[in-house]
Amino acid sequence: KAGVTQTPRYLIKTRGQQVTLSCSPISGHRSVSWYQQTPGQGLQFLFEYFSETQRNKGNFPGRFSGRQFSNSRSEMNVSTLELGDSALYLCASSFDGMNTGELFFGEGSRLTVL
Amino acid sequence: SQQGEEDPQALSIQEGENATMNCSYKTSINNLQWYRQNSGRGLVHLILIRSNEREKHSGRLRVTLDTSKKSSSLLITASRAADTASYFCVGGSNYKLTFGKGTLLTVNP
Repeated sequence: KAGVTQTPRYLIKTRGQQVTLSCSPISGHRSVSWYQQTPGQGLQFLFEYFSETQRNKGNFPGRFSGRQFSNSRSEMNVSTLELGDSALYLCASSFDGMNTGELFFGEGSRLTVL
Repeated sequence: SQQGEEDPQALSIQEGENATMNCSYKTSINNLQWYRQNSGRGLVHLILIRSNEREKHSGRLRVTLDTSKKSSSLLITASRAADTASYFCVGGSNYKLTFGKGTLLTVNP
């Protein structure tokens, strides 16, 4: 059974640009949640999508957005990039939702903003 | 939000010793989970304990949960160099998950 796949693994952008990250969950999982990890703030919850609907959202500005497709694949987008957006972005999938059981994480997308 | 805060922030031990990490959280939870992260990689699920459980074992792992104190502990027995990683706890309840900064465990061979 294939794990959670995140693409791209590494990317470099400049301030003001926008970026789209992709997450393919484990087959059959309906929930995809996204997290930002930085040395200073630790691991912070961005949002969760369940069956194509955003179920909850963390405390991030509107520049951070996401969506989920009918095949459960999810994308997150960050517009007008800032230096502070440099981070490891992790997604996790689960069958019932991020609060009900085990989360399966991808290897992350490491974003560097110059 | 269900914030997990791990203690200590860093722990260094010798191979074969036991490692204990603690976690505190702020609001009621349905379950609490522990994850491990090797440097710069994704998180790997270790163990889940439900709010009506007090203790759970999985291999060399032992987790306790005290809902009255809103705290949990993770014990790794007979540690190995491969256990070197960051360990995070997170509570699940109201669809808001917040991880702490984790405990960085270093097991010296």
